[in-house]
Amino acid sequence: NAGVMQNPRHLVRRRGQEARLRCSPMKGHSHVYWYRQLPEEGLKFMVYLQKENIIDESGMPKERFSAEFPKEGPSILRIQQVVRGDSAAYFCASSPMGGGQPQHFGDGTRLSIL
Amino acid sequence: EDQVTQSPEALRLQEGESSSLNCSYTVSGLRGLFWYRQDPGKGPEFLFTLYSAGEEKEKERLKATLTKKESFLHITAPKPEDSATYLCAVQAEDNYGQNFVFGPGTRLSVLP
Repeated sequence: NAGVMQNPRHLVRRRGQEARLRCSPMKGHSHVYWYRQLPEEGLKFMVYLQKENIIDESGMPKERFSAEFPKEGPSILRIQQVVRGDSAAYFCASSPMGGGQPQHFGDGTRLSIL
Repeated sequence: EDQVTQSPEALRLQEGESSSLNCSYTVSGLRGLFWYRQDPGKGPEFLFTLYSAGEEKEKERLKATLTKKESFLHITAPKPEDSATYLCAVQAEDNYGQNFVFGPGTRLSVLP
């Protein structure tokens, strides 16, 4: 499967726990983007990363949220001390280059907070 | 601030009944406009990229066009399998982060 892989597909957490979402980009893609989709709302940009670097995190809340894309392994979106409002679908996308190239999406992680 | 709106919000068509979806955008300088299809429980699936006014792209029953202010996705003789939410996104020239700004989507239902 050469597509963007996200896991887990579904994640249930209790308030105050940590959530870790993983994304493996398409082969040959070094640019990774995270988006959040709330029910009945559009996709909202969170963060853009290249290998070992955060390029733009302007869409990510300043507290509790962090992202990384290490030299080896998948990109990780981490949410600490989750709250009910964090319930959403989180999508990862990748592209081979920046600037004008289409981004290819995974099927998302659906996060539910009890 | 870059903005994207889409209309209609929802559209119901009979099989074979052609129609168009609209995407209006406001951006300082357009690097690219992108159309996606999203099925329930799935991620967006890339359809087209348009870069400059006057450009057209076609794939099976879908045709995308672009002007300086809007894009249209024309659906000719749709089939039930074309039912999905269609998303439009723009990327601005001065967008260092290179993220896409998405519209809210048009939910298309094609009835047999």
